[in-house]
Amino acid sequence: GESVGLHLPTLSVQEGDNSIINCAYSNSASDYFIWYKQESGKGPQFIIDIRSNMDKRQGQRVTVLLNKTVKHLSLQIAATQPGDSAVYFCAENLFNNQGGKLIFGQGTELSVKP
Amino acid sequence: ETGVTQTPRHLVMGMTNKKSLKCEQHLGHNAMYWYKQSAKKPLELMFVYNFKEQTENNSVPSRFSPECPNSSHLFLHLHTLQPEDSALYLCASSQDLPSYQPQHFGDGTRLSIL
Repeated sequence: GESVGLHLPTLSVQEGDNSIINCAYSNSASDYFIWYKQESGKGPQFIIDIRSNMDKRQGQRVTVLLNKTVKHLSLQIAATQPGDSAVYFCAENLFNNQGGKLIFGQGTELSVKP
Repeated sequence: ETGVTQTPRHLVMGMTNKKSLKCEQHLGHNAMYWYKQSAKKPLELMFVYNFKEQTENNSVPSRFSPECPNSSHLFLHLHTLQPEDSALYLCASSQDLPSYQPQHFGDGTRLSIL
């Protein structure tokens, strides 16, 4: 069905370690994917995106990997910092005749231990 | 600093009240969205506007009434709400429809129905 799911609802990492947040999507026709970060009391903040014609994209300390074969998306955060503690959402763009519709996952809560 | 501003940040209302949520974006975008975010659930798309025209109503009850007077402003008029409508209401905007473009979110209005 139309859903984007996450493998783990919570993730706890030590400061300085790398974090990997996973996401499974169900629509083979989805052609664009986005990761958002949501801190307590704030709205979702755009982190990085990737189109389906790519399998990897890097930003500042973040990397998104896309595996279309198994419909899997991951967000890697290098040298995780306390300020990275938040809920992370993936979203897939389900293309329709109006341009598309974002379907969001439930979110993974990342907790960084000092 | 977000380019999407929502007011009020918090709202408590009775089931018989009428209130409105306001969203303003300063990004020069043409598409605007209302989402509902409930605890432990993915973001639920409610309405989509593109160039002031409503392009999607995601089966939202009529007690929620959107209004988009121009591409920079979006309102959500509320009347006769139910306790299950208590949630965080998020506004977002994008350059045009979502295709290959991230949506940018405000910090939301936390709505509590008594």
